[in-house]
Parts: sequence; C-alpha cells; structure tokens
Amino acid sequence: DARVTQTPRDKVTEMGQEVTMRCQPILGHNTVFWYRQTMMQGLELLAYFRNRAPLDDSGMPKDRFSAEMPDATLATLKIQPSEPRDSAVYFCASGPGGLGYGYTFGSGTRLTVV
Amino acid sequence: RKEVEQDPGPFNVPEGATVAFNCTYSNSASQSFFWYRQDCRKEPKLLMSVYSSGNEDGRFTAQLNRASQYISLLIRDSKLSDSATYLCVVNEGRDDKIIFGKGTRLHILP
Repeated sequence: DARVTQTPRDKVTEMGQEVTMRCQPILGHNTVFWYRQTMMQGLELLAYFRNRAPLDDSGMPKDRFSAEMPDATLATLKIQPSEPRDSAVYFCASGPGGLGYGYTFGSGTRLTVV
Repeated sequence: RKEVEQDPGPFNVPEGATVAFNCTYSNSASQSFFWYRQDCRKEPKLLMSVYSSGNEDGRFTAQLNRASQYISLLIRDSKLSDSATYLCVVNEGRDDKIIFGKGTRLHILP
C-alpha cells in the first residue's frame, strides 16, 4: 500500500531549539497538507501546497513556523524557536487534489517541547 | 461560528445499537464532504465520502443536506471495533481547502 512517510515519529526538544519535521507524500499526489492536533483544538490546518506551491499558510504562526516543498517528494515544517505551546502531533497528508478525493495521512510526528 | 461543528461526545453505546453522528458546516460554497475515523494515537483514515444522494457502505450510511449545511453518519449494528473518534471533513472547494471538525468520540460497550 502506498503511504505517506513522516519523520521523526517522536521528538523531544528544549524550548528555543529548532525543529524540522519531514514528510514524503505518496508518489503522484500533488496536494500536501500540514495539520497540528491537540486535545483542545483538534486538527488545525497549518499550511498546504499544490504542485509544490503554497496555497494557504494562514493557519501557521509565521514568526516561528515555516513550511516548504523543496521537491515533489519532500515537504518540511520547521519551527524556530520552538516553545512549549508547540507541543502537539503534527500530521502530513497528501492527495491527488480535486473535489471528491480524500487524503491519506502519515502517522504523525509527536513533538514535545520542554 | 466554527467552520465545521460536530456533536461533542463522547457517545457510550451498547454493542449492536445504532449510532448517529451529526455535523454542520458554515461555508455554503463547500463542495465535497467526508467522514474520517481516528483510532487512539493513530492518524485519521478515510472512512467514506458523502454524496448528495446519500451513500451506504455496509453498516455505514452517510447523508448530506446542502440546504441545511448538514452531514450525518449512521452506524448500524455497532461493533466493539467501531470504537474510535469520527471526524467530519469538508472540502471548501476554493483551492481544495480541507477543514476538519473536532471529532466525536465513540465507545462501544460490550
């Protein structure tokens, strides 16, 4: 089965450190999403891309978060500097784009900032 | 008003019962709709799409009411393995922006 691969699975870091999360979308999928999930807020859309171009990153705190797609096989989400309130599970999802198509999620990166 | 709203839950339901989940969405231009299922400490997985005419997949039935901006999911003859969080998902159409509800947790009781 094709899958979305996220690394690392778990990350514990100290406040102020840079964190980079990576996502390999399913081959041929041209739309990639980044979500953050916490118990309080549920799944929040941070940013998403179509054909590697950012479509919307309004859900992302721009002063510390950045998202990029350096090529079609890699999406990155970077937090610098990290803060304890960034602790959450970060999911990447990819899909073929277009109405009527669902999206496949990676298994997530569980981030803990201490 | 939140973009996608769901019943708060949790629902505690005996095995074999019928369960209904409801969801409302705020953007009338939304184009397509889905239900996802998320198990504890796992990623969300697509359960089914929701079509205007309503659709069924085994014990699961999804319905859409565009006029009321309302989506529902019915699970018949519930099984212990149906215990999970059910997420209502809306594609707003504009650039395929996908918005999730907060989900409703379901516990099926033996």
